[in-house]
Amino acid sequence: TQLLEQSPQFLSIQEGENLTVYCNSSSVFSSLQWYRQEPGEGPVLLVTVVTGGEVKKLKRLTFQFGDARKDSSLHITAAQPGDTGLYLCAGAGGSNYKLTFGKGTLLTVNP
Amino acid sequence: DADVTQTPRNRITKTGKRIMLECSQTKGHDRMYWYRQDPGLGLRLIYYSFDVKDINKGEISDGYSVSRQAQAKFSLSLESAIPNQTALYFCATSDSSAGGYTGELFFGEGSRLTVL
Repeated sequence: TQLLEQSPQFLSIQEGENLTVYCNSSSVFSSLQWYRQEPGEGPVLLVTVVTGGEVKKLKRLTFQFGDARKDSSLHITAAQPGDTGLYLCAGAGGSNYKLTFGKGTLLTVNP
Repeated sequence: DADVTQTPRNRITKTGKRIMLECSQTKGHDRMYWYRQDPGLGLRLIYYSFDVKDINKGEISDGYSVSRQAQAKFSLSLESAIPNQTALYFCATSDSSAGGYTGELFFGEGSRLTVL
């Protein structure tokens, strides 16, 4: 069974601060996805990283896939209250490409 | 209208009752999934279906069953609900033609089930 450990589990910061969320595993994944979930809604995909060492930027969000494809990070610059939500990483691996989800990081950005 | 629709959105029931959660999608995707979300435990896969004739157990299938009535419909049943099945349930879809890696999951808005 492939496991993904996310840290921190909870994060409360002030508007304008920077933060990093980590997603780690002892397993290799063929790809890794990051989702954001807002209260009362289902998760929505932010990005998919496929290549080891890959870095993707989405406005103030920077995603990195580890060289060995076992870990990933999400960095948010100058966080805003609209960034508040549950951030989930999900790794794809194995022959049937099912996703394994981390437990999530609940981010609160205070005005 | 939402591309992935779940009904009911909220349900309170009693221990021992049979419950069905329904999911329909207009995205034309072949793959459908049922997940369960509990605080601090993330999303856990209950069942998944890669096409109408394909049903597979996920990591926590005990106490649940599913039916893929059509490409667009995938229902989850709890034959005899118990309190520890109280959770937020999500249906999701994906497109197998996404390529060599797992495609994006598109989630419904969730069905909150409370078993008393």
